[in-house]
Amino acid sequence: SQQGEEDPQALSIQEGENATMNCSYKTSINNLQWYRQNSGRGLVHLILIRSNEREKHSGRLRVTLDTSKKSSSLLITASRAADTASYFCATDLGWAGANSKLTFGKGITLSVRP
Amino acid sequence: EAQVTQNPRYLITVTGKKLTVTCSQNMNHEYMSWYRQDPGLGLRQIYYSMNVEVTDKGDVPEGYKVSRKEKRNFPLILESPSPNQTSLYFCASSLLGNRGNYTFGSGTRLTVV
Repeated sequence: SQQGEEDPQALSIQEGENATMNCSYKTSINNLQWYRQNSGRGLVHLILIRSNEREKHSGRLRVTLDTSKKSSSLLITASRAADTASYFCATDLGWAGANSKLTFGKGITLSVRP
Repeated sequence: EAQVTQNPRYLITVTGKKLTVTCSQNMNHEYMSWYRQDPGLGLRQIYYSMNVEVTDKGDVPEGYKVSRKEKRNFPLILESPSPNQTSLYFCASSLLGNRGNYTFGSGTRLTVV
């Protein structure tokens, strides 16, 4: 079963608007990360938020984490056409067990209309 | 430039013909991993390696093999490819002490006919 589930599955907005994407997960985590993927390309790391953090900023990106609700949100402010991509949240469970892997959600397709 | 390099980018092959997808990183990362990406299923981990000569199965290891003889290389081997292995494959690496923040390769689109 997926550890991370993004919502919505698809989002279409006008350039200049803000885009908010949500991610929910099921078990305790060490950190949560957001990645971007342009069509058919590799994933690019955007931002990481640790379990003891509540909010982080990076440029036009703002990520929040609510461990009590097991959820995170990614806000992209003043969106641009170049932000059009798929966005994935990924959870890192920490050193539990032998494999400290990232578990990805299925992704959100963001379309920013010029 | 720090990067993860996968080859080939595209590959069409026939059922049963052994193939290897190479992955190399130049960042001295201990941790390397292979994922496959399929529509509606997201990314699923195939195999991972915590360091040289240390490999283990991920969520979907069936039909795949890996090796980690050198720190920089982590090839993915399909001994007898089948059509259900048609997918987009990604290699990723990270420092073990820097949990998360993976660097991904550009991907290998494999088609097995």
